[in-house]
Amino acid sequence: DIQMTQSPSTLSASVGDRVTITCRASQTISAWLAWYQQKAGKAPKLLIYEASTLESAVPTRFSGSGSGTEFTLTISSLQPDDFATYYCQQYVNYPWTFGHGTKVEIK
Amino acid sequence: QVQLQESGPGLVKPSETLSLTCTVSGGSTNSYYWSWIRQPPGKGLEWIGYIYYSGSTNYNPSLKSRVTISLDTSKSQFSLKLTSVTAADTAVYYCARAHNTGWFVDSWGQGTLVTVSS
Repeated sequence: DIQMTQSPSTLSASVGDRVTITCRASQTISAWLAWYQQKAGKAPKLLIYEASTLESAVPTRFSGSGSGTEFTLTISSLQPDDFATYYCQQYVNYPWTFGHGTKVEIK
Repeated sequence: QVQLQESGPGLVKPSETLSLTCTVSGGSTNSYYWSWIRQPPGKGLEWIGYIYYSGSTNYNPSLKSRVTISLDTSKSQFSLKLTSVTAADTAVYYCARAHNTGWFVDSWGQGTLVTVSS
């Protein structure tokens, strides 16, 4: 299985901060990577696919980059609605695997 | 816009079979990869498997011996069966739609908590 490692596991930030989350794959996955946002008690929500393509209706303060084994999710200016847990997922190989999540908390 | 809704028992006894159904509305089950994903309490996401609209399936090797996913296009439903459950199978189970052109999940059900306990 491809292992997906996210860092940090928890991130404390303030409204307006620029936030970056990293996801590393244990082998190359080209750009077959998605990012999801999950709020407590809710299903995940797709933010980005193919490493950098913004899903429809997702605010443009979210962006993704990377290819191969290293990827980043950036929130350019953190908003109150963005405090949540973020997961990356590779979908180049079965089984599709997720990172363990990065919780973005209020500082 | 497609909507997915899980249904099934919230409590299953150890060694028994967990059975869930996902009803798809607002869209057809023709095309796409219809998937099940689970999340143990306080933990991360685990892909269980999918069924393609053609009927082909693919399961997570860690669960493959216990999992069956089926599709009923006439009812716009797909189902999950997980046999010989233990407490480790306690989780929120999500049904989901994975995209045709890349297997990212673009639609999720709200999730249903299944507890394995006697």
